[in-house]
Amino acid sequence: RKEVEQDPGPFNVPEGATVAFNCTYSNSASQSFFWYRQDCRKEPKLLMSVYSSGNEDGRFTAQLNRASQYISLLIRDSKLSDSATYLCVVNPTGGGNKLTFGTGTQLKVEL
Amino acid sequence: NAGVTQTPKFRVLKTGQSMTLLCAQDMNHEYMYWYRQDPGMGLRLIHYSVGEGTTAKGEVPDGYNVSRLKKQNFLLGLESAAPSQTSVYFCASRGFGGEAEAFFGQGTRLTVV
Repeated sequence: RKEVEQDPGPFNVPEGATVAFNCTYSNSASQSFFWYRQDCRKEPKLLMSVYSSGNEDGRFTAQLNRASQYISLLIRDSKLSDSATYLCVVNPTGGGNKLTFGTGTQLKVEL
Repeated sequence: NAGVTQTPKFRVLKTGQSMTLLCAQDMNHEYMYWYRQDPGMGLRLIHYSVGEGTTAKGEVPDGYNVSRLKKQNFLLGLESAAPSQTSVYFCASRGFGGEAEAFFGQGTRLTVV
């Protein structure tokens, strides 16, 4: 089983739609969780951290379910500019604060 | 503020040639990482460093070596390039703390023919 698993998509949604991505992780002792965004042929950039209580940043909501070991990202009122690959990232316990990346979920927002 | 800078951005190598990729960060971060990204595989950790003078193996270290002689620089070396090393390489740096954000360089597109 991969340490971090995501549905690769692509998710094709119309502008204005709400879309949700899930991600599962295998290491129950993992401490930190993030969503990164990667545009085509660009470097990944932090979208938001994921906290146990859930957190929101504008149209984006992230949730963590430790019991089921999954993380979710909800995007409301999708914009064309949201088209990108969304990477689920987990910081497992252990040295080096290594970040383990999922393979990413591709989102395409269409007119 | 430059952040994380990778050089070169593109390179074509012949099988068996060697090269070094340079990563430089100006944020005084302790942690630095080298990842490779292949289609359908996501980012896979090659090597990482928790501080000046230290290095450790990641998920896919074979065929690569690294050095961190200065805190701000993290070098990735390919001693004898193979076509399987054709990939996009990303360097990242991160400060202390599990919640710290990782900052990435723009990537190096390497093709081995």
